[in-house]
Amino acid sequence: AQRVTQPEKLLSVFKGAPVELKCNYSYSGSPELFWYVQYSRQRLQLLLRHISRESIKGFTADLNKGETSFHLKKPFAQEEDSAMYYCALSGIQGAQKLVFGQGTRLTINP
Amino acid sequence: SAVISQKPSRDICQRGTSLTIQCQVDSQVTMMFWYRQQPGQSLTLIATANQGSEATYESGFVIDKFPISRPNLTFSTLTVSNMSPEDSSIYLCSVAFNYGYTFGSGTRLTVV
Repeated sequence: AQRVTQPEKLLSVFKGAPVELKCNYSYSGSPELFWYVQYSRQRLQLLLRHISRESIKGFTADLNKGETSFHLKKPFAQEEDSAMYYCALSGIQGAQKLVFGQGTRLTINP
Repeated sequence: SAVISQKPSRDICQRGTSLTIQCQVDSQVTMMFWYRQQPGQSLTLIATANQGSEATYESGFVIDKFPISRPNLTFSTLTVSNMSPEDSSIYLCSVAFNYGYTFGSGTRLTVV
């Protein structure tokens, strides 16, 4: 069964500090992993996905198949990073449903 | 990526009534997905809608409660039927597009 676990519901860090949002997954096949972000009063939007290996807004995430993890990291947090972050998983074969983690609310303190 | 227009953005409905939510996509897409986000919770998939076939429902969701239409490759509707306060949630549609997923802005439903 597909499952995504985000162990922290809430995470609070100071501006300029490093940020790591944890995500672990369970999937029997080849997964595709995503991070989505939802800023206040905005729609859910894609932050990054593991196959593109991009860095968006200073965030990176590396897929670790051995540890079945896809943690989101940023070396220096900014106040505008405060938002709800969701890790999500789908199968890699064509368009498939996304399974979401419970989400982590990140608050950046000034 | 595709752009989705979803409406209504919010509604307050009486229990026992039904509400139909619409999603219009600016590109042709094979699969559309409908999610529910209950207060303080994550997104849960309700069903997957392919054009020209019946929707596929996830465990815990049934067609009588959440009928879906998919008349063409750019449009879909989700109806929340015989509503109760427990149906108060945000409902979102989503499409898969070039291995990314785009979401509508959501419909915030309150049942009183």
